[in-house]
Amino acid sequence: EAGVTQFPSHSVIEKGQTVTLRCDPISGHDNLYWYRRVMGKEIKFLLHFVKESKQDESGMPNNRFLAERTGGTYSTLKVQPAELEDSGVYFCASSQPPKPPYEQYFGPGTRLTVT
Amino acid sequence: AQSVTQLGSHVSVSEGALVLLRCNYSSSVPPYLFWYVQYPNQGLQLLLKYTSAATLVKGINGFEAEFKKSETSFHLTKPSAHMSDAAEYFCAVIQGAQKLVFGQGTRLTINP
Repeated sequence: EAGVTQFPSHSVIEKGQTVTLRCDPISGHDNLYWYRRVMGKEIKFLLHFVKESKQDESGMPNNRFLAERTGGTYSTLKVQPAELEDSGVYFCASSQPPKPPYEQYFGPGTRLTVT
Repeated sequence: AQSVTQLGSHVSVSEGALVLLRCNYSSSVPPYLFWYVQYPNQGLQLLLKYTSAATLVKGINGFEAEFKKSETSFHLTKPSAHMSDAAEYFCAVIQGAQKLVFGQGTRLTINP
């Protein structure tokens, strides 16, 4: 069974440009999560999809970030326009319907560098 | 809201020595707690999880953690460190049954 995959693994863009990150969850996992780790800080929750619906987007930092999950399969996270403080590692995770033990499976992350 | 504190952003031990990584949580309800590990250039991998079935939880690669409600702790231990254990370790708690709240992470270095 394939794990969670993310593309690209690393992206370097200039301030003001647009970047789109992609996450493919484990097949059959309805729940998809985005997290972010800014340099030197803890990993923080961004949002949670159940199929194609946004269940919780309380962690999205501002309206420069747009997440979609059309068709309830893969998800994209677009940053437009990118700012320097957006640099960090963006993780995607997926899970079966949330019930104990609430285990989430993580992808390898996308390292975003904004210069 | 739940929160997690990991004491020590860097821990260094000798090969063969005891590994102890500290995690304290704050939760108003019985928590579900996790330890994840990130090896260099890899994603987060689940080491072990506490789900109230047993206070001593055994995970992969010889790691275990003990849930102590009185101390609100969930420290991670391994009796004998291997070079391959060098990684960053994250303690996390579930909030609202959906999102993980992570500690700051502890980078473990193993000295030969």
